[in-house]
Amino acid sequence: DAGITQSPRHKVTETGTPVTLRCHQTENHRYMYWYRQDPGHGLRLIHYSYGVKDTDKGEVSDGYSVSRSKTEDFLLTLESATSSQTSVYFCAIRQGSNTEAFFGQGTRLTVV
Amino acid sequence: DQQVKQNSPSLSVQEGRISILNCDYTNSMFDYFLWYKKYPAEGPTFLISISSIKDKNEDGRFTVFLNKSAKHLSLHIVPSQPGDSAVYFCAARTFAGNTGKLIFGQGTTLQVKP
Repeated sequence: DAGITQSPRHKVTETGTPVTLRCHQTENHRYMYWYRQDPGHGLRLIHYSYGVKDTDKGEVSDGYSVSRSKTEDFLLTLESATSSQTSVYFCAIRQGSNTEAFFGQGTRLTVV
Repeated sequence: DQQVKQNSPSLSVQEGRISILNCDYTNSMFDYFLWYKKYPAEGPTFLISISSIKDKNEDGRFTVFLNKSAKHLSLHIVPSQPGDSAVYFCAARTFAGNTGKLIFGQGTTLQVKP
């Protein structure tokens, strides 16, 4: 295991409610990523971080925000969940620019 | 705009034969490429990578080929085994500013028949 934990693993929430997903790593890796996986779209980058308090938008960042106040935690927040945000969310970590990324087990989020 | 494309959603091969999975990209700033395998209900796992300064990288049954002029890479699995049945994603990194952005394709589902 790469020392990466996502929580919760499953969540059902109502439209309009805020939701926060947590990614925790024990590897002290610099880079952290949030992706969503949807049929026909593969893995799409939502936001990523290249250091504490250093974050940037990915391909599908609308409706999402992130925070990284310490190396080990990267939080993904849906301020007001919508049904289109029903998806499987994956966190990934990466040590350096020429290394592979390790993925968490995923969080299945359903917005009803 | 899809910067990394896997145009074949699925591929079916017979056990023992070669599997070839393809990936095209549009961004000439990509300088590092990776392949991942994903089983249902699990996170993707790293398979093999290649730097843009190389045109081939081999690891056991897995070989990745990179054609920079065509902006194309492929993953060859020889011989294919039933346990290789999974979704395969290619990914590409942009080095600009050393922010380490990693972009994935849509994935190709490989089925290896016994």
